[in-house]
Amino acid sequence: GENVEQHPSTLSVQEGDSAVIKCTYSDSASNYFPWYKQELGKRPQLIIDIRSNVGEKKDQRIAVTLNKTAKHFSLHITETQPEDSAVYFCASSSYNTDKLIFGTGTRLQVFP
Amino acid sequence: DTAVSQTPKYLVTQMGNDKSIKCEQNLGHDTMYWYKQDSKKFLKIMFSYNNKELIINETVPNRFSPKSPDKAHLNLHINSLELGDSAVYFCASSPGLARAGLEQYFGPGTRLTVT
Repeated sequence: GENVEQHPSTLSVQEGDSAVIKCTYSDSASNYFPWYKQELGKRPQLIIDIRSNVGEKKDQRIAVTLNKTAKHFSLHITETQPEDSAVYFCASSSYNTDKLIFGTGTRLQVFP
Repeated sequence: DTAVSQTPKYLVTQMGNDKSIKCEQNLGHDTMYWYKQDSKKFLKIMFSYNNKELIINETVPNRFSPKSPDKAHLNLHINSLELGDSAVYFCASSPGLARAGLEQYFGPGTRLTVT
């Protein structure tokens, strides 16, 4: 069935450094790849998304890249700040299913 | 002016009891979802409804019964609660079906603890 693998499960960086989280999907029909951020005790919230007809998208300090051939997509956060500390989830959906499949999450800790 | 709201926020109950969680969205969305987030933070779809019709039932035990009285509300009733049901349950909504690649808006979650 559909599956999204996410790595690493935890990531610790120094404030100002970059952080990269990687995901791999299995369904070749996948065409939508959102990233959600969940702060401690809060709800998941969309931070950026990318569609299969685009290779890269950037929004200020965050960017997402997609490699359809390898079925990989990644989240890049530059100049990390303590408020970036949260659990990040990648996800994917396809044009022939009606569910969003989430990765297992990455706990990012940014140390001042 | 909360977009997606859930009640209650916390629910502590004993094994064998029956409980309900309510969800409402004021975004005018057509599609609503229930997700379960376990202690390891895995987010898993349970159900989705589109305009009050069941779209996804992700092999959830039939002790769980969703009900959508109208497209703004999706409730979750759980019978004969078990220890393994302890989790945070999130309601979410989106303008249309997941296949359209649309943002999902999550509610604040309901932390269910079964003792």
